[in-house]
Amino acid sequence: DAKTTQPPSMDCAEGRAANLPCNHSTISGNEYVYWYRQIHSQGPQYIIHGLKNNETNEMASLIITEDRKSSTLILPHATLRDTAVYYCIVNTNAGKSTFGDGTTLTVKP
Amino acid sequence: DTGVSQDPRHKITKRGQNVTFRCDPISEHNRLYWYRQTLGQGPEFLTYFQNEAQLEKSRLLSDRFSAERPKGSFSTLEIQRTEQGDSAMYLCASSRQAEQFFGPGTRLTVL
Repeated sequence: DAKTTQPPSMDCAEGRAANLPCNHSTISGNEYVYWYRQIHSQGPQYIIHGLKNNETNEMASLIITEDRKSSTLILPHATLRDTAVYYCIVNTNAGKSTFGDGTTLTVKP
Repeated sequence: DTGVSQDPRHKITKRGQNVTFRCDPISEHNRLYWYRQTLGQGPEFLTYFQNEAQLEKSRLLSDRFSAERPKGSFSTLEIQRTEQGDSAMYLCASSRQAEQFFGPGTRLTVL
């Protein structure tokens, strides 16, 4: 699996958009970009995934650059409950996921 | 659909003892994964099943660890002769397609 690079921590004001970057310069053509988050003391929660097109669901939007070497997860209106560790993973559609250390997002009132 | 469940949620054991954890995946999910997570780190892959077949096992996984999924439904993870370094959160996940759904984990403390 390709390796990802994320900033260790970010802050965001409540109600503002949170933009979490991820670099995956060695991504292969058949690898998807997945995002999960983990709230303290819980198991990771799937957020969104995409191959090359931008994706949006009820939780977030995923913007993937044209060369697919980086992506950004956008939480459009962050709330205090969005405080969590966010993991960016690249993976094929089967098999294990290789988690890095993620980005700790702190949403502040 | 009640999600992925894991039992027990917490386990305290003495060094050298054997422990077994259980994972019940979401119904009809054919894939099941085990991960281990220590404080401040992301989950680390341990092993993966598709139905009852164990398709991949981490090279980092000691021979003291074994996992089964005998009927392609629930799975067990056994650790023999536990060591203090085995103390961690053990996470189970299941999937039918791309996204994995995680259970709440079993926190193991080895004294």
